[in-house]
Amino acid sequence: KAGVTQTPRYLIKTRGQQVTLSCSPISGHRSVSWYQQTPGQGLQFLFEYFSETQRNKGNFPGRFSGRQFSNSRSEMNVSTLELGDSALYLCASIAQGASGELFFGEGSRLTVL
Amino acid sequence: GENVEQHPSTLSVQEGDSAVIKCTYSDSASNYFPWYKQELGKRPQLIIDIRSNVGEKKDQRIAVTLNKTAKHFSLHITETQPEDSAVYFCAASFSSGSARQLTFGSGTQLTVLP
Repeated sequence: KAGVTQTPRYLIKTRGQQVTLSCSPISGHRSVSWYQQTPGQGLQFLFEYFSETQRNKGNFPGRFSGRQFSNSRSEMNVSTLELGDSALYLCASIAQGASGELFFGEGSRLTVL
Repeated sequence: GENVEQHPSTLSVQEGDSAVIKCTYSDSASNYFPWYKQELGKRPQLIIDIRSNVGEKKDQRIAVTLNKTAKHFSLHITETQPEDSAVYFCAASFSSGSARQLTFGSGTQLTVLP
């Protein structure tokens, strides 16, 4: 069974640009969540999607948005990039049922110059 | 919202010794407490989790204990090996069904010295 796939793995942008990151969950998983990982702030929850609906949202500005498609693939978008947005963005696919285990992808490392 | 504090931030132990990492949480409604291991340059991976209706759970050399009254939980690794060296994160969440919004601790860099 393929794991969680994130693309691109690495990208460099400049301030003011926007970026779109993609996540394909494990087959059969309908829930996807996104986390931002930085050395200073650790792992912070961005949002969670289930069946194309945002179910939970973390404490991030409106520049951070996401969506989920009918095949459960998810994208997140960051507009008007700031230097502080440089981070590893992790997507997690959530197992169904009582376990609810999160399976993380390898992440997309964004550098903003 | 939930707040999770994790200590220590760094921990060095000799191979074969035990390691203990402690976390406290603020939201008494939290009912799911996973621990993740992240090796350098790799994804976080779940190593053990516990739910609020259980006080202790063990899986080979790894155990987690939960004290709901004090709102703290701990990870215990016995007979540590060099491959246990990694960053460990605790997390807490209130979950309904499969919904997950994890609040993570700040991480503990564990180094096992040969």
